[in-house]
Amino acid sequence: AQTVTQSQPEMSVQEAETVTLSCTYDTSESDYYLFWYKQPPSRQMILVIRQEAYKQQNATENRFSVNFQKAAKSFSLKISDSQLGDAAMYFCAYRIDSNYQLIWGAGTKLIIKP
Amino acid sequence: SAVISQKPSRDICQRGTSLTIQCQVDSQVTMMFWYRQQPGQSLTLIATANQGSEATYESGFVIDKFPISRPNLTFSTLTVSNMSPEDSSIYLCSAGLRETQYFGPGTRLLVL
Repeated sequence: AQTVTQSQPEMSVQEAETVTLSCTYDTSESDYYLFWYKQPPSRQMILVIRQEAYKQQNATENRFSVNFQKAAKSFSLKISDSQLGDAAMYFCAYRIDSNYQLIWGAGTKLIIKP
Repeated sequence: SAVISQKPSRDICQRGTSLTIQCQVDSQVTMMFWYRQQPGQSLTLIATANQGSEATYESGFVIDKFPISRPNLTFSTLTVSNMSPEDSSIYLCSAGLRETQYFGPGTRLLVL
């Protein structure tokens, strides 16, 4: 069965520094999607970044980038120049098939220290 | 991306009553989803709602407790029936669009 593991329940980083959140997954599929979502205290779930497994190039969105290691089944999120507004729960998710269903990690709470 | 709205944003209800949560999408989508989330925890899928067919429920969730409607390609409702304090949670709807799920802002429910 597919699973998603986020081993860091909580991370903290100084404002303006870089932090990496880890995510590993287990699947026997070769084609799939991986996602990072951010959920601030307002509870709105916001898409941060998406990676298609068939693409070798790591996805980037402004200060957010991923390190996608397909063979190792690893999908980490790097946040550069951390800002106070980045404080949130971050969830890693894997899309299992074409009906859009997601498998979710347990989440990592990111704290930004001013 | 899709813009999704939910109503109500929060509610306090008495046990034994029912609450219907509405979810509106600004685009036509085939698949919509309903989740439950306890504070500080991950999401648990309640059901998948496809327009024109019966909702598909996940293990542990039944139609009598969580009836879902999907009358068209932009709208869905979730009803939490005969509520108990254990139903206190955040309820989220989402829509599948261009390979991605987009989420509404959630409904915070407290059952007394």
